[in-house]
Amino acid sequence: QVQLKETGPDLVQLTQTLSITCTVSGFSLTTYNVHWVRQPPGKGLEWMGAMWNGGGTDYNSAFKSRLSISRDTSKSQVFLKMNSLQTDDTAKYFCARYNYGFDYWGQGVMVTVSS
Amino acid sequence: DTVLTQSPALAVSPGERVTISCRASESVSTGMHWYQQKPGQQPKLLIYGASNLESGVPARFSGSGSGTDFTLTIDPVEADDTATYFCQQSWNDPFTFGSGTKLEIK
Repeated sequence: QVQLKETGPDLVQLTQTLSITCTVSGFSLTTYNVHWVRQPPGKGLEWMGAMWNGGGTDYNSAFKSRLSISRDTSKSQVFLKMNSLQTDDTAKYFCARYNYGFDYWGQGVMVTVSS
Repeated sequence: DTVLTQSPALAVSPGERVTISCRASESVSTGMHWYQQKPGQQPKLLIYGASNLESGVPARFSGSGSGTDFTLTIDPVEADDTATYFCQQSWNDPFTFGSGTKLEIK
């Protein structure tokens, strides 16, 4: 069955870099797009960016040049890397499969940015 | 960016019909999707393409609209429908989400 699972740190220091891995199963990264969405505690959802099935990427300009998304199709993994973290980057980070709507989501990883 | 506006909260009784609205700041055609999120869980897709019921979602849920005005309807509402409901558009770049409507079942 389709599954996505995020792995990453619980805590990141201020100004440091966040790295999260999304490992997928049950589908191919060359067939479906995988996106990153985050949710600060008690707040709404924010689209961060996408890894398209063809290997291209798209980013929310709100993250300017801080964000990078890549993949390793042989390992069925999509990677999020974001630098210069601030306290307002504290959030749960989700990866989700896009199929005209986000039809499958990971459980998310809660990341706290600490000063 | 396309701003999606939702009412913050609603309270209804079991068995009633509830409509949750989402208004877009510019046309999104039918590129609108609806999600249900319960505390501590990931969002769950209910409706895609404005009016298409996601597989496995009860037929009590339905969606309508196009352009800038969209509605999610739950009829009849059940106690388990207590959750926050988000709209999301995929027509314009970047994708955006509404701020969510918290549904309370009295």
